[in-house]
Amino acid sequence: DAGVIQSPRHEVTEMGQEVTLRCKPISGHDYLFWYRQTMMRGLELLIYFNNNVPIDDSGMPEDRFSAKMPNASFSTLKIQPSEPRDSAVYFCASNPRDASSGNTIYFGEGSWLTVV
Amino acid sequence: GQNIDQPTEMTATEGAIVQINCTYQTSGFNGLFWYQQHAGEAPTFLSYNVLDGLEEKGRFSSFLSRSKGYSYRLLKELQMKDSASYLCAYARGSTLGRLYFGRGTQLTVWP
Repeated sequence: DAGVIQSPRHEVTEMGQEVTLRCKPISGHDYLFWYRQTMMRGLELLIYFNNNVPIDDSGMPEDRFSAKMPNASFSTLKIQPSEPRDSAVYFCASNPRDASSGNTIYFGEGSWLTVV
Repeated sequence: GQNIDQPTEMTATEGAIVQINCTYQTSGFNGLFWYQQHAGEAPTFLSYNVLDGLEEKGRFSSFLSRSKGYSYRLLKELQMKDSASYLCAYARGSTLGRLYFGRGTQLTVWP
């Protein structure tokens, strides 16, 4: 079974441009999470979805960030306009509804974003 | 902050034993995770403790004390390939993927 798939793996963009990161969770997983990792702040949750519905977006840093999950197999994280401080690795993760063991949370390979 | 703390860096030599500590403060605690992360890669799951005590698996073990808000990851017979960042994280509530991470402990194993 394929794992969590993210694209692009690497993106370099200019300040002010729109950035769209994509994620395909593992089939059958009801929860999808977007995390951001920086040297200064470590790994932080931005937003998560349950059955395609956003549950908690309190980690989204500001209005420039938005996330959608139009169906069970696809989610996007959009930054518009991007700023240099948005440079980070963005991870998508998913887990099934009946997660009772910690070994059921799966991370994608990450999208490395550099805003210049 | 996320109320979880771990040392920034540790070093050790091959064959040695190292203990990476993690302290946290939260309500609604639902388990303590350890992840390993190599540079440029995604975190990979190592262990999950929800009850107090020590869980051992080969060269590795993880300990949890809920009353003290304390966990550690113990690595024995260290190998060069154990060099990585070790992240502890706790879960709150019933959503296990909703994790609060420490900033990671960068472990360097020297020959």
